[in-house]
Amino acid sequence: AQSVTQPDIHITVSEGASLELRCNYSYGATPYLFWYVQSPGQGLQLLLKYFSGDTLVQGIKGFEAEFKRSQSSFNLRKPSVHWSDAAEYFCAVGARSGRDDKIIFGKGTRLHILP
Amino acid sequence: GAGVSQTPSNKVTEKGKYVELRCDPISGHTALYWYRQSLGQGPEFLIYFQGTGAADDSGLPNDRFFAVRPEGSVSTLKIQRTERGDSAVYLCASSLQGGDTDTQYFGPGTRLTVL
Repeated sequence: AQSVTQPDIHITVSEGASLELRCNYSYGATPYLFWYVQSPGQGLQLLLKYFSGDTLVQGIKGFEAEFKRSQSSFNLRKPSVHWSDAAEYFCAVGARSGRDDKIIFGKGTRLHILP
Repeated sequence: GAGVSQTPSNKVTEKGKYVELRCDPISGHTALYWYRQSLGQGPEFLIYFQGTGAADDSGLPNDRFFAVRPEGSVSTLKIQRTERGDSAVYLCASSLQGGDTDTQYFGPGTRLTVL
């Protein structure tokens, strides 16, 4: 079964600084990988996803993530954060087995932005 | 509709009572998912519908939890004999066809509090 670990519960960065949120997954094959963002009172919004092909994935709001098979990682990055990026971020992994459509989420990383 | 909607947004009930949570998926989406998000955790898969049938209910914690989708659109998650441990945000998501590569769109959730 697949699993995902987000090692950082909280991350604080200054506005305008670069950001990297870590995500490690466990799965026997190449997984499907996702990053979602959850703002207070809002539903989960998909930032980006990786299924195959180019390992550097571009998403919405200026985010990108890189799939590194050797490290079992899918870290999320943004070159310059804005105050509106303060939210909870979830990495998720999906299985590639035929009828298994489950997505397994990490526990999340809460991003705080300093003015 | 424009997005996934869930009602009520908040539900407070007493231990032992029965509750129903409703999800209206995006029009035309055949796949519907229920997740539960406890405080400080990521969403946890409960059940997945493809059309009217439950394709995967392996995430339902026990037989007090049940979900239906009788006409392949709206779904209701039913919890019998509620317990304090059932307190969480219940999230619904839908996708166009289901399957590993289909993006899931989430609703804002129903916050259930069991006193």
